[in-house]
Amino acid sequence: TQLLEQSPQFLSIQEGENLTVYCNSSSVFSSLQWYRQEPGEGPVLLVTVVTGGEVKKLKRLTFQFGDARKDSSLHITAAQPGDTGLYLCAGPSTSGTYKYIFGTGTRLKVLA
Amino acid sequence: KAGVTQTPRYLIKTRGQQVTLSCSPISGHRSVSWYQQTPGQGLQFLFEYFSETQRNKGNFPGRFSGRQFSNSRSEMNVSTLELGDSALYLCASSRPLGQGAWETQYFGPGTRLLVL
Repeated sequence: TQLLEQSPQFLSIQEGENLTVYCNSSSVFSSLQWYRQEPGEGPVLLVTVVTGGEVKKLKRLTFQFGDARKDSSLHITAAQPGDTGLYLCAGPSTSGTYKYIFGTGTRLKVLA
Repeated sequence: KAGVTQTPRYLIKTRGQQVTLSCSPISGHRSVSWYQQTPGQGLQFLFEYFSETQRNKGNFPGRFSGRQFSNSRSEMNVSTLELGDSALYLCASSRPLGQGAWETQYFGPGTRLLVL
């Protein structure tokens, strides 16, 4: 069974601090996606990483896909209150089924 | 391009009732997936439809069912509602390239269901 474990589960930091969220699996994924979800809304796609070792930047957010494609990280520089939300990683199942596996989620709160 | 739309946004039902939720995918997207999200279990896959066929189903009881129409719009139905069915139900659309190849999923805002 493919699983995606995220850490930390909860994170509360002050505005301006840096943070890293991790998404780990014992399985290889062909790609991984990162989403941010705000209360009462659906997840919004931030980035898709496809190649092992790939690094993508989205303003103050840096995403990295592990060389073995079993893990990914999201680093936020100088966090702002607008970064508050639930961060989810997800990847397509490789078991031949048409579904995505979602991570356990990291709930981030950035205090002004 | 319009995003994924879901109706209704909020719904209150009582135990034993049934409910139907609707999802309109992004134009051109033919795959629709449904997820249940609860604080305790996170995002759990319900089922996926492509070209009016259910291709995969998650580990949910038979009370949860769905269908897809020829225009790719999808509905899901929950019969004999239980208190534990209270959740945010999310729909996502994508353009799968076929088994083993994937397109990005785009989510709708969800339907918040409260069962009393």
